Amino acid sequence: DADVTQTPRNRITKTGKRIMLECSQTKGHDRMYWYRQDPGLGLRLIYYSFDVKDINKGEISDGYSVSRQAQAKFSLSLESAIPNQTALYFCATSDPGLAGDTGELFFGEGSRLTVL
Amino acid sequence: GDSVTQMEGPVTLSEEAFLTINCTYTATGYPSLFWYVQYPGEGLQLLLKATKADDKGSNKGFEATYRKETTSFHLEKGSVQVSDSAVYFCALRVLPNAGKSTFGDGTTLTVKP
Repeated sequence: DADVTQTPRNRITKTGKRIMLECSQTKGHDRMYWYRQDPGLGLRLIYYSFDVKDINKGEISDGYSVSRQAQAKFSLSLESAIPNQTALYFCATSDPGLAGDTGELFFGEGSRLTVL
Repeated sequence: GDSVTQMEGPVTLSEEAFLTINCTYTATGYPSLFWYVQYPGEGLQLLLKATKADDKGSNKGFEATYRKETTSFHLEKGSVQVSDSAVYFCALRVLPNAGKSTFGDGTTLTVKP
């Protein structure tokens, strides 16, 4: 089983619908992230969380919200989906570790969202 | 702000050819540098990394050297295989501002038999 699991893997929805993407991890990492990937644009950070009580906006947080339900769970919501939110979404984790965060990210397999 | 510029793709090579994917960066602090690889239908996974100047990261025959003087971290492999076909991302992360990793746009590599 994957260490970082995302559900659903694929979703097609309509404009205005509320969508939730879920992420769970078994790596025991405190730090979790949501990224968006668009063709030719690399990955852009939406939100990140360093522990259950910590939520931070990334560079493109408008139109999105997150919830950190537990150390292992971090969900991303689109309250009212719009077509330009069609993208591939990745959840990732990192480990601060005893020597500090090495910077390495561990990714899920992605959730492909299409908004019609 | 921080930024990563990668060589534009797509790149198509024959098996056993030499590969270079250029990556340059700008950073407000002292970054760690990474190459991630994304195989079709999968998430990104770390290929190699370097945390200080002149460090060389290596893995699976790939290498990259952290060049502070030229702010570069070019990815190389001496002899590519069909199984190396993937999208390659250069990335940086400046600690202690560890909340944000900055990624390049990705370079798609196709290796033909």
